[in-house]
Amino acid sequence: DIQMTQSPSTLSASVGDRVSITCRASQSISSWLAWYQQKPGKAPKLLIYKASSLESGVPSRFSGSGSGTEFTLTISSLQPDDFAAYYCQQYNSYPYTFGQGTKLEIK
Amino acid sequence: QVQLQESGPGLVKPSQTLSLTCTVSGDSISSSDSYYWSWIRQSAGKGLEWIGRIYISGSTNYNPSLKSRVTISLDTSKNQFSLKLSSVTAADTAVYFCARLQTFCPGGTCYSGPVEYWGQGTLVTVSS
Repeated sequence: DIQMTQSPSTLSASVGDRVSITCRASQSISSWLAWYQQKPGKAPKLLIYKASSLESGVPSRFSGSGSGTEFTLTISSLQPDDFAAYYCQQYNSYPYTFGQGTKLEIK
Repeated sequence: QVQLQESGPGLVKPSQTLSLTCTVSGDSISSSDSYYWSWIRQSAGKGLEWIGRIYISGSTNYNPSLKSRVTISLDTSKNQFSLKLSSVTAADTAVYFCARLQTFCPGGTCYSGPVEYWGQGTLVTVSS
C-alpha cells in the first residue's frame, strides 16, 4: 500500500493567516492526489483533485500544488469557516489511501 | 443534486456479518454516464480507510486488508448498492460512508478518482 503522511498533525492559526499543509507519499503517485475538508460529525468534502484542480464551488483561497511524492494544500487567507480537519488521499493505485489528517484550529 | 444515504443496523455482534445499503437519489446507478461507487470507513484508530468500489459492469476492487471478508454489490432496480463485511470484530467499529467517485473514461477505459459525493455516514458498533 502507498503510505500518505501529512504534516503537521495540528496547526494553530488565526483568521487572515496564510497556511500550508504538506502530504508526502511513500512512492510516486504522479498528480493523482486529492484534498478534503471535514467538519465534526460530517462527511469529508472534496476541495482539490489531481493535485491542483479546484473542485467546483470551492473558494479560490484554497490551492494545491506538487507532484510525485510531495504535495501542499495552501489556504491563502483563513476564514472562520476553514477551521476543520484536512485529509489528503492518493488514487494512483489500489488500495486508495488517506493521510492521517491535519486539524486546523483557531489560535 | 446527487444524494446518498446509508442504512443498516447500528449494532452488530462479533463474528456476525455487517450489512449496509446505500440508496442513491438524483442519479441513476445504471445511467449511460456511469460512475464508480464506493464504501469508505472512518475510525478513531485507523482514520479514513477505503473499503472498495464497484462499477455498473459489476467489476469490483477491494482493499486487500479486507478482501477476504468484503462483498460490494449493486441493485440497479432499487438504485442501491450494498456492503457486506463478514466475521466482524471490535476493530470494525467505525462510521461507514457510501460514496460516488469521480469517473473518467478516456478511450473507452474508465478510471476512478476521488470522492465527489458522500453519504452522511452511519456509525456501526461491533459489540456483544
